[in-house]
Amino acid sequence: KQEVTQIPAALSVPEGENLVLNCSFTDSAIYNLQWFRQDPGKGLTSLLLIQSSQREQTSGRLNASLDKSSGRSTLYIAASQPGDSATYLCAVDGNTGFQKLVFGTGTRLLVSP
Amino acid sequence: NAGVTQTPKFQVLKTGQSMTLQCAQDMNHEYMSWYRQDPGMGLRLIHYSVGAGITDQGEVPNGYNVSRSTTEDFPLRLLSAAPSQTSVYFCASSYSAGTGGNTIYFGEGSWLTVV
Repeated sequence: KQEVTQIPAALSVPEGENLVLNCSFTDSAIYNLQWFRQDPGKGLTSLLLIQSSQREQTSGRLNASLDKSSGRSTLYIAASQPGDSATYLCAVDGNTGFQKLVFGTGTRLLVSP
Repeated sequence: NAGVTQTPKFQVLKTGQSMTLQCAQDMNHEYMSWYRQDPGMGLRLIHYSVGAGITDQGEVPNGYNVSRSTTEDFPLRLLSAAPSQTSVYFCASSYSAGTGGNTIYFGEGSWLTVV
């Protein structure tokens, strides 16, 4: 059974810092890996999707990497801003590609001005 | 664009009552799914559908029914509510996977309390 772990569970940084969020998964047979952002009381917003054949994806100040063989992904946030404060969730889609996502429990990020 | 719309946003049920959480999307997505989010456990897949008339179970399907009579709608039915079903429920949709997956869109959630 696929298990997804995110470390750290919470992170507090001053504005302007570069930071890395970690995600690990136990079964390397994945279709893709996705990073989401969740604001309090809201739904999830897709940030980046990395296909199983890719090593990384970038969007603005966000960069996500994928190492399937080691079962790891990282989300790098450059020059963090208070508006980046949210919970970040990692999810893997198993080998069916039916968007049957297995989620980690998330990293709660607080960026202080 | 409405995206994925869930109703109701908040609901309190008594044990044993039944209810339906509504989900509608206006993006002509083939895939739709329901997740529940509980503290410390992340989101878990309840049921999913890969097209109208096709549904299947996810990780935690017990106590829930779904149907997909149209592309747009994917309601989730609680047959006999139990306190263990107190949770936040999210509906999601996306195009079919294609060459490696497509962006998945989530509704804003339905907060359900069973007393």
